[in-house]
Amino acid sequence: GEDVEQSLFLSVREGDSSVINCTYTDSSSTYLYWYKQEPGAGLQLLTYIFSNMDMKQDQRLTVLLNKKDKHLSLRIADTQTGDSAIYFCAEGPGGYNKLIFGAGTRLAVHP
Amino acid sequence: GAVVSQHPSRVICKSGTSVKIECRSLDFQATTMFWYRQFPKQSLMLMATSNEGSKATYEQGVEKDKFLINHASLTLSTLTVTSAHPEDSSFYICSARNPQEGNTEAFFGQGTRLTVV
Repeated sequence: GEDVEQSLFLSVREGDSSVINCTYTDSSSTYLYWYKQEPGAGLQLLTYIFSNMDMKQDQRLTVLLNKKDKHLSLRIADTQTGDSAIYFCAEGPGGYNKLIFGAGTRLAVHP
Repeated sequence: GAVVSQHPSRVICKSGTSVKIECRSLDFQATTMFWYRQFPKQSLMLMATSNEGSKATYEQGVEKDKFLINHASLTLSTLTVTSAHPEDSSFYICSARNPQEGNTEAFFGQGTRLTVV
């Protein structure tokens, strides 16, 4: 069945780059998403990539997609303390269809 | 951008009572909304797909008589947790897609933290 996997924890120093990785199994996924969740809050969409793209950059965020290996990554440049949160990878076919989420990666940024 | 609002953000109720959670799309019409449940330090698990004007579609293992979903209008879906028990305590999140934006982005409500005592 559909499955999305992420590492559970990442610790980085403020100012360094963070790379959060995700693998998925559904090759028919049309869109892949990265969401951010701060404590006690809902999910905030950070960015998404269409499956026919291999890279998308949006300010400090860079998404890389290796469709062959079904591997997605999110790079945050110049990581700040405000980036500390849980980051969820999700995949879905688009349209009125559900998203399948990974377990989330908790990013801790320390001085 | 599109906004999805959830209410209440936090609720505490006694065992055996029912709790209603509202999910509203504020600036777009959503024929389909999704209800997720999130356990502490775990991912979001889809509970059901709410369809305007018709019955909700529940995921396997989700009791439809316990988690009542009503999608009575194009901007409002409600989830009612009936006869709540402490094990129903969780974070419930709804989401909707804006058809005017090609349904690419799923907007999420801020979530409702339910505590059953």
